[in-house]
Amino acid sequence: LAKTTQPISMDSYEGQEVNITCSHNNIATNDYITWYQQFPSQGPRFIIQGYKTKVTNEVASLFIPADRKSSTLSLPRVSLSDTAVYYCLVGGGNAGNMLTFGGGTRLMVKP
Amino acid sequence: DAGVIQSPRHEVTEMGQEVTLRCKPISGHDYLFWYRQTMMRGLELLIYFNNNVPIDDSGMPEDRFSAKMPNASFSTLKIQPSEPRDSAVYFCASSLGVLTREQFFGPGTRLTVL
Repeated sequence: LAKTTQPISMDSYEGQEVNITCSHNNIATNDYITWYQQFPSQGPRFIIQGYKTKVTNEVASLFIPADRKSSTLSLPRVSLSDTAVYYCLVGGGNAGNMLTFGGGTRLMVKP
Repeated sequence: DAGVIQSPRHEVTEMGQEVTLRCKPISGHDYLFWYRQTMMRGLELLIYFNNNVPIDDSGMPEDRFSAKMPNASFSTLKIQPSEPRDSAVYFCASSLGVLTREQFFGPGTRLTVL
């Protein structure tokens, strides 16, 4: 069972790049790493997913080192609306690999 | 599509009562997940279904919890009897194709057990 660990909170300012790291030392061979964003009173929303190296989409980048024991979500030029809780999710590579969420990182973007 | 639909959005009940939470996944999705979120324990996967069949229920806390998916359009999570420590937000999510695919979450049901 992959245990995932994230920083509890982070502060940033508008326009800055924010990097949030998730540790998952026991990740299984076929497991994927997925990041979600959650606003108050809403369900989590998918941001990005990866297996290894680097993945980029229109809102974020995901960096995964070769050993895959950690991953870093990168948000370029954050705005106030990026204030939310960010979760990494690890698992699902095989039917028996439980999906495990990290504890979440509360990002506060200041003006 | 309306997205994942959950009902009720809020439920307040007394200890010992039966509680049933309902979920309608996105049409065509073949995976359905039930999660529980609390301040203390964060987001926990309780159970997931594939093609209406329960695949992994190892996250279900105890026998008081049960989940069913009688058809592709409907699932229930039942707690009987409910206890104050069951107070949480319960999310349903669905996805298409493979277990690792992007999950679409519903708005959640906030359960308060007095």
